[in-house]
Amino acid sequence: DVKVTQSSRYLVKRTGEKVFLECVQDMDHENMFWYRQDPGLGLRLIYFSYDVKMKEKGDIPEGYSVSREKKERFSLILESASTNQTSMYLCASSLNRYEQYFGPGTRLTVT
Amino acid sequence: AQKITQTQPGMFVQEKEAVTLDCTYDTSDQSYGLFWYKQPSSGEMIFLIYQGSYDEQNATEGRYSLNFQKARKSANLVISASQLGDSAMYFCAMREGSGYSTLTFGKGTMLLVSP
Repeated sequence: DVKVTQSSRYLVKRTGEKVFLECVQDMDHENMFWYRQDPGLGLRLIYFSYDVKMKEKGDIPEGYSVSREKKERFSLILESASTNQTSMYLCASSLNRYEQYFGPGTRLTVT
Repeated sequence: AQKITQTQPGMFVQEKEAVTLDCTYDTSDQSYGLFWYKQPSSGEMIFLIYQGSYDEQNATEGRYSLNFQKARKSANLVISASQLGDSAMYFCAMREGSGYSTLTFGKGTMLLVSP
């Protein structure tokens, strides 16, 4: 079974802090994705990556950056957290153009 | 215009009944894929079913089937014999084109199954 893990289920940070959200997959998937989920808005793609050291902007990249130094790990970075970045963050991975496998999510609160 | 539209914010169904969750999509690509995911209260997204635009038959996976009507651009999820554990948020998603594998998600439908 594919396993996607995220470093924290719940996280509370202060405005202006630098925040790292880590995601690791164990199935040698090429593709990895970061989404945020907000009530009434569904999932929105922040960044994705098709290979090590490669990244592409999604629909809402502002205020975020990513890092993929190893194939199995994809990190989302909030350079200076703001209250409007309070959300559920979901990481996913996929081998091909079919289904994406999701991690359990990180609920981030910025105060 | 929204690429994926789920018009039902919430649906109620009794246990053992069938339920249809609506999804319409908008794309000009000939090659695309449609997905349904389930998100229980625990938060994890669970892949349910996939339909490719060139697939001639409707996809089925156990109690889940996808009613694919290409001309109407609809991809409704049908859950037969609902169970209490089916209570969850359901998302329809689309992959466009034959290149990148990014998905566009709808806003979701909350399904509540009552005894």
